[in-house]
Amino acid sequence: NAGVTQTPKFRVLKTGQSMTLLCAQDMNHEYMYWYRQDPGMGLRLIHYSVGEGTTAKGEVPDGYNVSRLKKQNFLLGLESAAPSQTSVYFCASSDPGPENAQYFGPGTRLTVL
Amino acid sequence: DAKTTQPPSMDCAEGRAANLPCNHSTISGNEYVYWYRQIHSQGPQYIIHGLKNNETNEMASLIITEDRKSSTLILPHATLRDTAVYYCIVRVSGYSTLTFGKGTMLLVSP
Repeated sequence: NAGVTQTPKFRVLKTGQSMTLLCAQDMNHEYMYWYRQDPGMGLRLIHYSVGEGTTAKGEVPDGYNVSRLKKQNFLLGLESAAPSQTSVYFCASSDPGPENAQYFGPGTRLTVL
Repeated sequence: DAKTTQPPSMDCAEGRAANLPCNHSTISGNEYVYWYRQIHSQGPQYIIHGLKNNETNEMASLIITEDRKSSTLILPHATLRDTAVYYCIVRVSGYSTLTFGKGTMLLVSP
């Protein structure tokens, strides 16, 4: 059981480049989430998904797009990267309902120059 | 979601119990109290959660006051590897996302 995995672990982009972050979970969870964490700050929700084929905006969705084509995968895309998107990105998954914990991946450290 | 208040930092001696407080005075009856921790540069790690009753698992104990306005996370025998930022989060029923604040930085010293 790998839990939640994220690819890649590190990435450096130039302003204007695009990339996709991949999150995979093997716990058969319905819900998946993308968060970002900036230095000295708590996590902020970017987008989330309550099931295959569905996505919804979180607290800071601008500049990002997501897709959930398969239940076990949740992709986060940056179409035109900006320095303000330099951050650590965490993916999480859970079963529905507030009584079920979210489990997080190890993170992707992204730097945009 | 109800707001939470935690001290910004705490110290604990290795081998002693670490008691991390959290105030959530505006909590509603259907809101769960969750605790996560984050060791430097790693993903947040789930620790424990509860609704009304005290809870215990292999990592920690969660004590919730009878009026549910505050709670305490107890690490019974802290080790150096428990040094981390600990987040107390209140989750409202029917809305599953987590709102992370700034947490408590716990430093465990030899």
